[in-house]
Amino acid sequence: EIVLTQSPGTLSLSPGERATLSCRASQSVSSSYLAWYQQKPGQAPRLLIYGASSRATGIPDRFSGSGSGTDFTLTIGRLEPEDFAVYYCQQYGRSPLTFGGGTKVEIK
Amino acid sequence: EVQLVESGGGLVQPGRSLRLSCAASGFTFDDYAMHWVRQAPGKGLEWVSGIIWNSGTIGYADSVKGRFTISRDNAKNSLYLQMNSLRAEDTAFYYCAKDSSGYTSSWYYFDYWGQGTLVTVSS
Repeated sequence: EIVLTQSPGTLSLSPGERATLSCRASQSVSSSYLAWYQQKPGQAPRLLIYGASSRATGIPDRFSGSGSGTDFTLTIGRLEPEDFAVYYCQQYGRSPLTFGGGTKVEIK
Repeated sequence: EVQLVESGGGLVQPGRSLRLSCAASGFTFDDYAMHWVRQAPGKGLEWVSGIIWNSGTIGYADSVKGRFTISRDNAKNSLYLQMNSLRAEDTAFYYCAKDSSGYTSSWYYFDYWGQGTLVTVSS
């Protein structure tokens, strides 16, 4: 199975700062089949990005995804108060579907 | 509006069984693959099982293979997860999730999620 490693585990930033989250795969993810989700406490995950770089419906353009092969990045251009949450990457290029361990973006 | 509503969670003893249900609305259910994803309290996400639109392809995580069975009833717009031989490590919130793809034999990403149902396995 493809193992996804997210770093850092926790990112401490202030509102207005830029956040850069990494997701590294143990094998190449075919066709850039990588998605990103946001999860807030007590809520279900919400789709942000699919196909490594396509924003889901209704997602603000401060969220952007990039990367290919084994290295992927989620960037939040300027953090808004509602962006402090946990973020997960997920690959769907090969079964079983797998998730990274998550990156928590917390208020500094 | 897409809605996914899970039910059937609760407290169960190790070794016993439980059946989860997910009622779907707001989209053409029988067009899409569906999944169960779980999250142990305070932990990350784990894909549990998926089933394509016509039940022709089904998959399981190794951690549940042989113990869990996914199924769907397209006439009732419902997804199910039969969980047998439950273990303490199965304790988690179980989310029903809609696959983004329709009429394919593969799985993609999850574009809608339910709010989850908590399964606690303990004596």
